[in-house]
Amino acid sequence: GAGVSQSPSNKVTEKGKDVELRCDPISGHTALYWYRQSLGQGLEFLIYFQGNSAPDKSGLPSDRFSAERTGGSVSTLTIQRTQQEDSAVYLCASSPRDRGRSRNNSPLHFGNGTRLTVT
Amino acid sequence: DQQVKQNSPSLSVQEGRISILNCDYTNSMFDYFLWYKKYPAEGPTFLISISSIKDKNEDGRFTVFLNKSAKHLSLHIVPSQPGDSAVYFCAPHTSGTYKYIFGTGTRLKVLA
Repeated sequence: GAGVSQSPSNKVTEKGKDVELRCDPISGHTALYWYRQSLGQGLEFLIYFQGNSAPDKSGLPSDRFSAERTGGSVSTLTIQRTQQEDSAVYLCASSPRDRGRSRNNSPLHFGNGTRLTVT
Repeated sequence: DQQVKQNSPSLSVQEGRISILNCDYTNSMFDYFLWYKKYPAEGPTFLISISSIKDKNEDGRFTVFLNKSAKHLSLHIVPSQPGDSAVYFCAPHTSGTYKYIFGTGTRLKVLA
């Protein structure tokens, strides 16, 4: 079936503008993650959605960042008043529901990312 | 607080030889360890994993070794092929939790 789909693949924006990044997870995957990879850095956790539970937003770097997931499927990451340090590749991943401690350490399935450049 | 370290940012290996990528962690609660491979302009893809109840897991040319007492794991690729050239991330995990933490990655270049 189809993998995780992200759009746009590339986005160039001027400092101070708002941007929206979209993620369409694998059908049936209830867990959805956003990560970002800045130049020369590892993958930085941003936010996690699981079903109808409250999301874990602990990784969002500032209040300019927000994300929502509508209908338990598509997710949008919004960055307001973009800054040059926001330039990075933003990666979305999904996985089946974690059924508990004794099983199902399901790997994450990543999209190809959105490369955001703030000029 | 870096819980996961991949101290070699890059590695070059001749085709046919062994590639060894290393990963160190600090959190003793990690009990499941994954390796991901990432090509340019693509997302990371799952490669191989190991549970803390094992010290070795092999899948074809790829073998992961886990040394729990040293909090160290390594990925061996043998024989290395040019198509293995990519960035490799280790991602330790605690079962029953949802947060996956990734190392900074090691860029492997296999020379033909």
